[in-house]
Amino acid sequence: SQQGEEDPQALSIQEGENATMNCSYKTSINNLQWYRQNSGRGLVHLILIRSNEREKHSGRLRVTLDTSKKSSSLLITASRAADTASYFCAPRGSNYKLTFGKGTLLTVNP
Amino acid sequence: SQTIHQWPATLVQPVGSPLSLECTVEGTSNPNLYWYRQAAGRGLQLLFYSVGIGQISSEVPQNLSASRPQDRQFILSSKKLLLSDSGFYLCAWSNRDSRFYEQYFGPGTRLTVT
Repeated sequence: SQQGEEDPQALSIQEGENATMNCSYKTSINNLQWYRQNSGRGLVHLILIRSNEREKHSGRLRVTLDTSKKSSSLLITASRAADTASYFCAPRGSNYKLTFGKGTLLTVNP
Repeated sequence: SQTIHQWPATLVQPVGSPLSLECTVEGTSNPNLYWYRQAAGRGLQLLFYSVGIGQISSEVPQNLSASRPQDRQFILSSKKLLLSDSGFYLCAWSNRDSRFYEQYFGPGTRLTVT
């Protein structure tokens, strides 16, 4: 199955700034999903982008997908302290399994 | 709406003792079910998944096992815990009828093997 690799491993920004996280993967996908994990909690599904889409928005989230480069990015605009969490990408191939990388730990300082 | 429960929330067990973690899903039928382990500072490792009652697939050889005695119940077990079994265990479900297979996670169980 697929595995996404997030970059950077850690990111620290000030409240109000934008945060960009990147994800790379290796083989063809059906869709790519982004999840958030607050410390000590389960993962929460944030947004999904299909392989035939290039960009998708949801509130302050913007996801792009470049299948030719096998990469995706997650942009969080106007970040808040509550956005502090780990963010994981999960590329999905032809089956229903997802494989998660190590994530990007985002810290938003008030 | 659908909800997923895991218990216990935290567990401290000695090496060599047995383990039983339970996960139940409400508000849906015939879900795909998953067990993950997350070691400190690392990503999620898929341990088991199930597409139906009694149907279990193992992703990683280990001393853990999983069972699905009912449609919406998924159990993770071990006969003898190892120190390396410590970690954060997450159960998740996805809608088998979905085209996209988004996964929905439970709150997790923090297991410490001493």
